[in-house]
Amino acid sequence: NAGVTQTPKFRVLKTGQSMTLLCAQDMNHEYMYWYRQDPGMGLRLIHYSVGEGTTAKGEVPDGYNVSRLKKQNFLLGLESAAPSQTSVYFCASSYGEKAFFGQGTRLTVV
Amino acid sequence: GENVEQHPSTLSVQEGDSAVIKCTYSDSASNYFPWYKQELGKRPQLIIDIRSNVGEKKDQRIAVTLNKTAKHFSLHITETQPEDSAVYFCAASIVSGTYKYIFGTGTRLKVLA
Repeated sequence: NAGVTQTPKFRVLKTGQSMTLLCAQDMNHEYMYWYRQDPGMGLRLIHYSVGEGTTAKGEVPDGYNVSRLKKQNFLLGLESAAPSQTSVYFCASSYGEKAFFGQGTRLTVV
Repeated sequence: GENVEQHPSTLSVQEGDSAVIKCTYSDSASNYFPWYKQELGKRPQLIIDIRSNVGEKKDQRIAVTLNKTAKHFSLHITETQPEDSAVYFCAASIVSGTYKYIFGTGTRLKVLA
């Protein structure tokens, strides 16, 4: 039982490049979330999903897209990376109240 | 929109003293309030939570209090130890529908030996 797993753990992108972050959970959770964490700003919700095939915008969705084709996976895409997207990205999943986080992905856009 | 304010942003206490972190939420529909602890370079970990039908909850040295009228909740850590040093986040959520969590900006707690 691995819980919530994110890949990759680290990535450096050049401005304008694209990439996809993968979040996988093996707890059969309905709800999944993508957050970004920046110094002094806490965890801000980018997008979330309330079930397979659903997605919704959070607080800071601009510049990101998501997909939830399978219940266990939640993908976060950056189509054209910008330096402002340099951050630590956390995925989380929940079965209702309690949310569990992945180990994070540190993304640097140069 | 929904907002959670958290204070203080940093807190230093002597080992053995108590620490209190306070949060205020804006959405009156919020009814679930978790607290997460994040050690340096690690993922946030749930340490305690409270639902809106309860005023206080305690788990060993940590406790959370909730004042629904004031939309205010607090984390209390007693007999602090060096391993309590971390960043603590509060959050507010609506336990139905989206279960969307809105987090505070975090409190960096330093316990001085």
